[in-house]
Amino acid sequence: NAGVMQNPRHLVRRRGQEARLRCSPMKGHSHVYWYRQLPEEGLKFMVYLQKENIIDESGMPKERFSAEFPKEGPSILRIQQVVRGDSAAYFCASSPPPQQGVTEAFFGQGTRLTVV
Amino acid sequence: AQSVTQLGSHVSVSEGALVLLRCNYSSSVPPYLFWYVQYPNQGLQLLLKYTTGATLVKGINGFEAEFKKSETSFHLTKPSAHMSDAAEYFCAVSYGSGNTGKLIFGQGTTLQVKP
Repeated sequence: NAGVMQNPRHLVRRRGQEARLRCSPMKGHSHVYWYRQLPEEGLKFMVYLQKENIIDESGMPKERFSAEFPKEGPSILRIQQVVRGDSAAYFCASSPPPQQGVTEAFFGQGTRLTVV
Repeated sequence: AQSVTQLGSHVSVSEGALVLLRCNYSSSVPPYLFWYVQYPNQGLQLLLKYTTGATLVKGINGFEAEFKKSETSFHLTKPSAHMSDAAEYFCAVSYGSGNTGKLIFGQGTTLQVKP
């Protein structure tokens, strides 16, 4: 069972370009979470999605950032018109549907975005 | 509101010495607590978690943590440090029951192990 797969691992974008980050959850996992880790900081929650639904986007910046998790295919975090401050590591995690008991989220290896 | 505080952004120990990484939390509801480890340029790996039941939790690589409700703490310990333990460690708390993918993380503690 492959783990959470993120690609690309490294992404370089010029200011003003768009960045697309992909996350394929573990098999059987229908919940996806995106986190951002700025240099020298901990991870900050951005958004929580289930298939075709955004459940909680309380951590998403109001502008330029969007996320989706279509019925087929990976979850996508899109950053439009990137700025230098968007440079960070973006992590995706997935978990199975909540059932009785406590589920656990598994993290991918992250995409390191550098804006030049 | 829930929050997590890790005391000490950098901890240095000698190989074979006790490792103690401190974590305090605040939560208005019973918390689920986690410790993750991150190696350079890697993702996060779960070391251990506390949900309910026994307050002393054992994890991978010889680590353990004790949930102390009266002290709102969840400190991570290992009796004898190994060079391979050098990494960054994050304490995290879950917002609610069941689904534990939405986490609040502490700022992280970098563990250095000296030969």
